[in-house]
Amino acid sequence: RKEVEQDPGPFNVPEGATVAFNCTYSNSASQSFFWYRQDCRKEPKLLMSVYSSGNEDGRFTAQLNRASQYISLLIRDSKLSDSATYLCVVNMVVGGSYIPTFGRGTSLIVHP
Amino acid sequence: DTGVSQDPRHKITKRGQNVTFRCDPISEHNRLYWYRQTLGQGPEFLTYFQNEAQLEKSRLLSDRFSAERPKGSFSTLEIQRTEQGDSAMYLCASSQDRGQPQHFGDGTRLSIL
Repeated sequence: RKEVEQDPGPFNVPEGATVAFNCTYSNSASQSFFWYRQDCRKEPKLLMSVYSSGNEDGRFTAQLNRASQYISLLIRDSKLSDSATYLCVVNMVVGGSYIPTFGRGTSLIVHP
Repeated sequence: DTGVSQDPRHKITKRGQNVTFRCDPISEHNRLYWYRQTLGQGPEFLTYFQNEAQLEKSRLLSDRFSAERPKGSFSTLEIQRTEQGDSAMYLCASSQDRGQPQHFGDGTRLSIL
C-alpha cells in the first residue's frame, strides 16, 4: 500500500461544476498537509495548506480528517483554467524527521 | 525573481556518463529538497538538507547518487554511471523550516540515450 494515495482520475467536468478530490495517508503521526497544482511539464505550485479546522481560499476548500487519515480538496464553480493535476503532500514523521510525501496526483479536465 | 532556480533545464547524455545538477534555493530558506518525478507519478523524495547537513536520504537514492550543499546555500545532485532508468525530471524545492510549504524550481529534465 502506498503511503499517500490519490485517485489518478481523470475527472472530466463541465465549467461551473463542483468537484472534490480525496487523498488518504497511512502514517497517523503525519504533520502538515498541502495541496499543490501541477500543469503539464511544469513544476508543482502550492495551492493551499490544509489546517485541522478546514480552510477556504476563494473557490477552493481544503479539509483534514485525522481520524480517517484523509485530506480533501473541493473546487466550486470550476473554470477551464483549473484543468491541471492536483497533488496532495503529507509530511510523514519518520524518526523525528519530516519527510514530504506526495501522492501521484489527480488529473482534472474542465471542459466548456 | 528570487525563487528557486535550477540548472540546466534539460540534459541529454549517453548511458554511463556522469551528470551534475545545481539548485539555488530561496535565500532565506534553510531546507532544501531533491525529488525525482516520472510521467504520471508524483514527485518522489530523494534527500533533504537543513543548512549544510544532509538529514535524510531515501532508499531510492542508490550509491550512484550523491548530493551536497557545501555552504548551506546552493546544492548539487550528481548521478554517476547513468542508466536508462534515471531518465526523469529532477526537482529541487526549498522551505523556511520543517512543516512549511515548499517552493519548487522549474526542474531539470534528464534524458539518457
